[in-house]
Amino acid sequence: AQSVTQPDIHITVSEGASLELRCNYSYGATPYLFWYVQSPGQGLQLLLKYFSGDTLVQGIKGFEAEFKRSQSSFNLRKPSVHWSDAAEYFCAVGAMGGSYIPTFGRGTSLIVHP
Amino acid sequence: NAGVTQNPKFQVLKTGQSMTLQCAQDMNHNSMYWYRQDPGMGLRLIYYSASEGTTDKGEVPNGYNVSRLNKREFSLRLESAAPSQTSVYFCASSERTGLTYEQYFGPGTRLTVT
Repeated sequence: AQSVTQPDIHITVSEGASLELRCNYSYGATPYLFWYVQSPGQGLQLLLKYFSGDTLVQGIKGFEAEFKRSQSSFNLRKPSVHWSDAAEYFCAVGAMGGSYIPTFGRGTSLIVHP
Repeated sequence: NAGVTQNPKFQVLKTGQSMTLQCAQDMNHNSMYWYRQDPGMGLRLIYYSASEGTTDKGEVPNGYNVSRLNKREFSLRLESAAPSQTSVYFCASSERTGLTYEQYFGPGTRLTVT
């Protein structure tokens, strides 16, 4: 069975600082990997996804993530955080083939200080 | 193109009351999902439908029923609401895009059971 761990419940950064949100997954083969963002009171929006090829994936809003198979990780990064990035971030893993039923992590809440 | 729509956006129920949460998508997707989101728990799958006419239980199906009315619509029914079902409910749909899948989420229904 697949699983996702987001070790950090909350992350606090200053505006303009760099950001890294951690995601570790468990899956026996090459997974589909996703990062979603949820602003307060909103649904989830896809930031980026990895399914094959280049392990460094670029997404929307200046985010990127790197797939590291040896570490079973898919960490989300942004070089300079803006106040509007304050939100909940979810990592998800899905299996290739068959019905697509992704598993979500518990989320990391990003707090941005001015 | 509205994407995934959910109704109602907010609902308050008394214990024992019943209600149906409506979800519709206009993207011609085969797969649809119902999730609940609780603080610190991420998204947990209640039911999903891989295609019209099929439904399957997810991680937390107890107390819920679903109907895949047609390809567009997937409803979630609470027959006898309980306070433990106070949550935010998200509907999603997905389709294969190239080599991978992508999920699209509705804005959510915020349900309080008193």
